[in-house]
This record gives sequence, C-alpha cells and structure tokens, in this order.
Amino acid sequence: SQQGEEDPQALSIQEGENATMNCSYKTSINNLQWYRQNSGRGLVHLILIRSNEREKHSGRLRVTLDTSKKSSSLLITASRAADTASYFCATAHSGYSTLTFGKGTMLLVSP
Amino acid sequence: NAGVTQTPKFQVLKTGQSMTLQCAQDMNHNSMYWYRQDPGMGLRLIYYSASEGTTDKGEVPNGYNVSRLNKREFSLRLESAAPSQTSVYFCASSEVDQGASEAFFGQGTRLTVV
Repeated sequence: SQQGEEDPQALSIQEGENATMNCSYKTSINNLQWYRQNSGRGLVHLILIRSNEREKHSGRLRVTLDTSKKSSSLLITASRAADTASYFCATAHSGYSTLTFGKGTMLLVSP
Repeated sequence: NAGVTQTPKFQVLKTGQSMTLQCAQDMNHNSMYWYRQDPGMGLRLIYYSASEGTTDKGEVPNGYNVSRLNKREFSLRLESAAPSQTSVYFCASSEVDQGASEAFFGQGTRLTVV
C-alpha cells in the first residue's frame, strides 16, 4: 500500500504551544498535501508541497518535506483551541492521478 | 459559493436496499471523487472521474457504481446495501487531477446499513 502514516495518532497540547505531526510514505511522490477535518465535517486543504521543495509556510503552518527519508512534518505554531481537529497527509504518487490519504492525527488543543 | 454539495447528509438503509448518493460542484472542476471514511482507516477512494465522460475504479470499488452525469454532478450508487458499507461518504472535486492540485470536499453523507 502507498498509504502514508501519520505520527502520532493523537496529540494533546495547551493553547499557545506548538504542535508537530509527522507523515511517512513508501514510494516516490509528485507532491504531498495536508488537510484538516473538524469533527463531523469534510476535509479542508491546508497546504501543498512539491517534491522539489523542502519547506513551505502558510500563516501559522510550516510544512517540511524530506524526500530522502520519505517523510513530511506539519508544525502549527501558537496553537489555538480552534485548531482542534484531525489532520491528514495525502500523497500524490508518480504515475497516479489521485491522492492517497493517511489515517490522520487527532489534535486536541485545550484552553 | 456552495463548493461541493452532497445529499443526503444522513441515511439509514436496510440490507439489500439500494440508494444513490448525489454530489454536485459549482467550481467548474474537471475531476471528481468518491471516498469512504471508516474509523481508524483514513479515507479510501471508491471511484473517480478524471473528466466528464470517464470513470475509474479506486481502492475499494466493489459494491458501488458511479455516474458522471455532466461536468457538475457525480453520483454514487449502492445497488444492494450491506452492513459493511456503513460509513461516511465524501465527494471531492479538483480542477485537474488530485496529483497536481488541491481537492475540495463536501460535508459528507453518514450512511448506516442495518
């Protein structure tokens, strides 16, 4: 399976702290995307990083990609209670036109 | 902008019944997708349509059929529902294939088969 694996499965932090979640995958990719899912809702796209990029920022989000280790990390700085959600990485693999989603990390940010 | 709209939001079926999940997008996207989400399994692709007039199987197509009615609409049909099809179903669309662009998701259909 090409499915990515997020780590940790669950993360609990206090408001103001940083949250880091990781994603590993098995085969070469064209790009890697991160999505957020609030409870009972659909997924929302956060950021896309291409295979030739190493780091990307969007507001309080920072994504890194290490293709040699086949891994990516998502850092959320200065977390807020509203960041409580599940976060999924999705990989776009060479030769395929669809995304493969991981199982997600559940993030709980307590006030 | 409505984005991706799915109907219904909730449905309970008896084993053996059939139903069609509807999906429409108003972003003029070429590609549309159906996923199912089960606890601990992430999202798994059922079928997709890279462009109007084409459909392809995803990871878990058994027990499902799809129709790309036009560029806006992509429906998912369960011909004879089984308890194993109890899940949350998401429709998504993207401008080009998901390998190149972000996907936009609907709010989901929570289906229970008893």
